[in-house]
Order: sequence, then structure tokens, then C-alpha cells
Amino acid sequence: DQQVKQNSPSLSVQEGRISILNCDYTNSMFDYFLWYKKYPAEGPTFLISISSIKDKNEDGRFTVFLNKSAKHLSLHIVPSQPGDSAVYFCAATPDQLTFGKGTKLSVIP
Amino acid sequence: NAGVMQNPRHLVRRRGQEARLRCSPMKGHSHVYWYRQLPEEGLKFMVYLQKENIIDESGMPKERFSAEFPKEGPSILRIQQVVRGDSAAYFCASSPVRLYEQYFGPGTRLTVT
Repeated sequence: DQQVKQNSPSLSVQEGRISILNCDYTNSMFDYFLWYKKYPAEGPTFLISISSIKDKNEDGRFTVFLNKSAKHLSLHIVPSQPGDSAVYFCAATPDQLTFGKGTKLSVIP
Repeated sequence: NAGVMQNPRHLVRRRGQEARLRCSPMKGHSHVYWYRQLPEEGLKFMVYLQKENIIDESGMPKERFSAEFPKEGPSILRIQQVVRGDSAAYFCASSPVRLYEQYFGPGTRLTVT
């Protein structure tokens, strides 16, 4: 029973364009959401988070949007850079972190 | 300021052997979390510990797996009588207080042959 779903295993974007990574969840108890970024052979790195009382949080090139009625969140990266190429995990919690399977982003120079 | 350290980075065990994975949290962090990532899967929470206490082990398999975080020394994840299905990447994370924005180590890749 996958409570956090990232339906796109991979995404390719041209450098300078917008990257949009999507995440859906099923558990209405989730009240805090996070995005982690992971390079090969490294552990995940925290990127940005959002509480369920907000619908948007912005940090530099990264913006997370939350649509509670649709149980959907998305991560926007603008402009995308080659160094952004990594696997991005969506995570959610009311208690312990529940992760999605990840989306591999490739930013093409 | 060293990050979260895990060792070994790679561990090969034969079926039936024991695996011990170590995690040294960041300096000043007293909260440790262990996660497992199977191939093509996301990270799955296993256990949350504070110094000398297991706070939440709801993600730990009931048998063969145990974890500790002693007063002195690293946190240890122990897997007894390993089976092929235990082959995975095991990540440790730490935080100074209970946080969702956790700092992760590089992981230990366990291969059971």
C-alpha cells in the first residue's frame, strides 16, 4: 500500500527551463511534506518542505506547491541547472517519514 | 564539521551470517533514524532512537533485526541470520531534536550472497 506516489520514474528537462516533479498521497493524516534530493552513492539531502497549513513555499529556485483537496504536491525548479540532475524523493508525515519511490531528473545542457 | 558517518560503506555477507551497520550522527545530534532502501524503491523507515532509548521501531521487522544507540559510541543496526531479501541500502539520519529535516549519511550497501 503505497501512501506516497511519484508516478514519473524519470524526467528530462533542458537547462534553463522549468522542472516540475509531482507527488500524490493517499493518507489524509499527512500534515507535513518534504522533498529530498539524492545523488548516486550519497544519502538524501533535504531540499524544501511545506506544512499543510500552507499551499506554497519558496526557497530560491525551488518552490513547492500543495493542493490538499487533490492530495497532490509538486516541486518546481526554475531555472533548471545541470547540477540539479539527481533523484528527487517526496516524503510525508504526521509521524515518521513516508517516502515515494523517487523521480530521476536529468537536466540537459 | 563532519556529517553523518556510516560504516562500512559496503558489506557482503553470506546467508545465515550477522551484519552490523554503524552510524555516527552529526556532532550535537542525539536523534538517530534508520531507513532501508530496496532496489527501485523509496526509503522505508525502520527505527527512531535517542541516546539509550528506542522511541519508535514500528518499521523494524519483528525478527532478526535490532538497533541500539548507546550512551557512548555509534548507533548499531544489527541483522542476524541474513537472507537474500535483506540486500539493500541502509541509511542512517540524525537530527539535533526530533525533526523531519534530517541529515542523512551515505548509506551502507549490504549484499547477501
